[in-house]
Amino acid sequence: AQTVTQSQPEMSVQEAETVTLSCTYDTSESDYYLFWYKQPPSRQMILVIRQEAYKQQNATENRFSVNFQKAAKSFSLKISDSQLGDAAMYFCACGGSQGNLIFGKGTKLSVKP
Amino acid sequence: GAVVSQHPSRVICKSGTSVKIECRSLDFQATTMFWYRQFPKKSLMLMATSNEGSKATYEQGVEKDKFLINHASLTLSTLTVTSAHPEDSSFYICSVISYVGTAKNIQYFGAGTRLSVL
Repeated sequence: AQTVTQSQPEMSVQEAETVTLSCTYDTSESDYYLFWYKQPPSRQMILVIRQEAYKQQNATENRFSVNFQKAAKSFSLKISDSQLGDAAMYFCACGGSQGNLIFGKGTKLSVKP
Repeated sequence: GAVVSQHPSRVICKSGTSVKIECRSLDFQATTMFWYRQFPKKSLMLMATSNEGSKATYEQGVEKDKFLINHASLTLSTLTVTSAHPEDSSFYICSVISYVGTAKNIQYFGAGTRLSVL
């Protein structure tokens, strides 16, 4: 069984500043993947970043990077140089070898101009 | 990433009627698709895994006779909400998954369908 916990229901960041969203997970699978998805008001789920658990190197995608701590089962998302368009719900998710995703409850990110 | 088309985006129906939602993979053959349900201000809950040419696998607590899934081709899966009731009102989202290449195990989502049952 897999569980994903996002302990921050809401976060706020000033435009151009950096913010970190927290996520912890638990899984019994040895081969798994971790994801951050963004859901703006349109409700379209958009992939932000993916981390393969067997890779030690933290994934990065432009202004988005993760801090993957495998032993601690922690997978936080850092957003640098925050932009107004980053405002959305952010969901952390864990997927096993079959691809099924378990999502956290989400963190609502607000970006202040 | 993959392009997923979900239709309709919004549907309003009367209680007791059936509603069909389509999920199409536009640019690659999807042997597996997923159906999720999302309540307002809540997370996505997996309802079922749709496999091309075989029966869907439903999550615990999801009524398979209520939520009929058909995955007859590599590009189309449908979810039919039968005899809909107001408690079925929700946001339904489909996704396709890639099992190969650099996009392995990434799910790409449709835009969702908002179902309102009166």
